[in-house]
Amino acid sequence: ELKVEQNPLFLSMQEGKNYTIYCNYSTTSDRLYWYRQDPGKSLESLFVLLSNGAVKQEGRLMASLDTKARLSTLHITAAVHDLSATYFCAVPYSGGGADGLTFGKGTHLIIQP
Amino acid sequence: ETGVTQTPRHLVMGMTNKKSLKCEQHLGHNAMYWYKQSAKKPLELMFVYSLEERVENNSVPSRFSPECPNSSHLFLHLHTLQPEDSALYLCASSQWLVRGQFFGPGTRLTVL
Repeated sequence: ELKVEQNPLFLSMQEGKNYTIYCNYSTTSDRLYWYRQDPGKSLESLFVLLSNGAVKQEGRLMASLDTKARLSTLHITAAVHDLSATYFCAVPYSGGGADGLTFGKGTHLIIQP
Repeated sequence: ETGVTQTPRHLVMGMTNKKSLKCEQHLGHNAMYWYKQSAKKPLELMFVYSLEERVENNSVPSRFSPECPNSSHLFLHLHTLQPEDSALYLCASSQWLVRGQFFGPGTRLTVL
């Protein structure tokens, strides 16, 4: 059974600081996805990581994937209040075509001025 | 309309009611999904449809019945639900998983 674990589950940080969210998964996969969810809203796709060593950056967020370690990181640089949200990582079930995703529990991020 | 739309956005129903959730994707994708998000559990996959064929039923109770009449539409028919079925139901679509799944706004369901 595929398990996806995120840590921390809750993070309160100050603006301007850097931090990293970790996502571990239990079975082989060469793909991983990061999503953002604002309160009462749906999920917004942030990053699609499709191979070992993949690194993607968008603004103050950078995501990476190490398939050998079964680990992905989401790094936040010089955080700003607008980044406050819940962040989820997700891994496909079997690596095929139309696979469902197994999600982590999410990291609830609060960035304080 | 663009992206993935869901109706209704909010639904309150009794345990003996029958209702349906509708999802429509305007992205030309070939796979659609239903997920459940409740306060007590992580996002859970319910059903997967690929090219209008169901390819995954993630041990979902039979009181939830999906229907995919074509590649753009997905329904979730609900009957004799329980209060613990109250949750946010999210629909998603993808062109398989090359670019990830795109989610609709969700239907907030309350079962009384």
